[in-house]
Amino acid sequence: GDSVTQTEGLVTLTEGLPVMLNCTYQSTYSPFLFWYVQHLNEAPKLLLKSFTDNKRPEHQGFHATLHKSSSSFHLQKSSAQLSDSALYYCALSDLGGANTGKLTFGHGTILRVHP
Amino acid sequence: EAAVTQSPRNKVAVTGGKVTLSCNQTNNHNNMYWYRQDTGHGLRLIHYSYGAGSTEKGDIPDGYKASRPSQENFSLILELATPSQTSVYFCASGEGGGQNTLYFGAGTRLSVL
Repeated sequence: GDSVTQTEGLVTLTEGLPVMLNCTYQSTYSPFLFWYVQHLNEAPKLLLKSFTDNKRPEHQGFHATLHKSSSSFHLQKSSAQLSDSALYYCALSDLGGANTGKLTFGHGTILRVHP
Repeated sequence: EAAVTQSPRNKVAVTGGKVTLSCNQTNNHNNMYWYRQDTGHGLRLIHYSYGAGSTEKGDIPDGYKASRPSQENFSLILELATPSQTSVYFCASGEGGGQNTLYFGAGTRLSVL
């Protein structure tokens, strides 16, 4: 079945340093990949998602590149901000089968940015 | 932006009791989903629906039932609540399809004592 593996647990960074959160996946078909972000006491919301034409999605300074050869969709940002502190989920949507729109999520990575 | 409203926001239940979590969406999305969130497990899919009258099992459906009486409403039912069902539950809606964006509600924190 489908699965998503993320950087485990907690990532702590100093403000201004680059961010990289790892995401690899296993899927029978060629999926769409997503990053969702959840700030404290809020609902998860979409940060960015992969495109069908292999363009690199970007949002709020974050970007991610889908590498099908390595089954990866790592999240990157050149300079971390205090407001980036949140829980980040990588997820995939399997394009095969019934195409239900279901998302399979990874376990999540907490990013803490300190001054 | 899609509006998904969950109620109640917090619930304390007793073991063996019945619990109903409600979800309402105003975006006219066909698909709705129930996930639970637990540390170390992330978000896991319990049940989902393609539209009014439809419910489908997700990855962890045991101990849960779902009901979709209308396009707007999707309920999650715990007939006999157990302490292992203590969690935060999120409802989401989406249009469906491969690039489906999910819009989540604010969550319900459930404690089963």
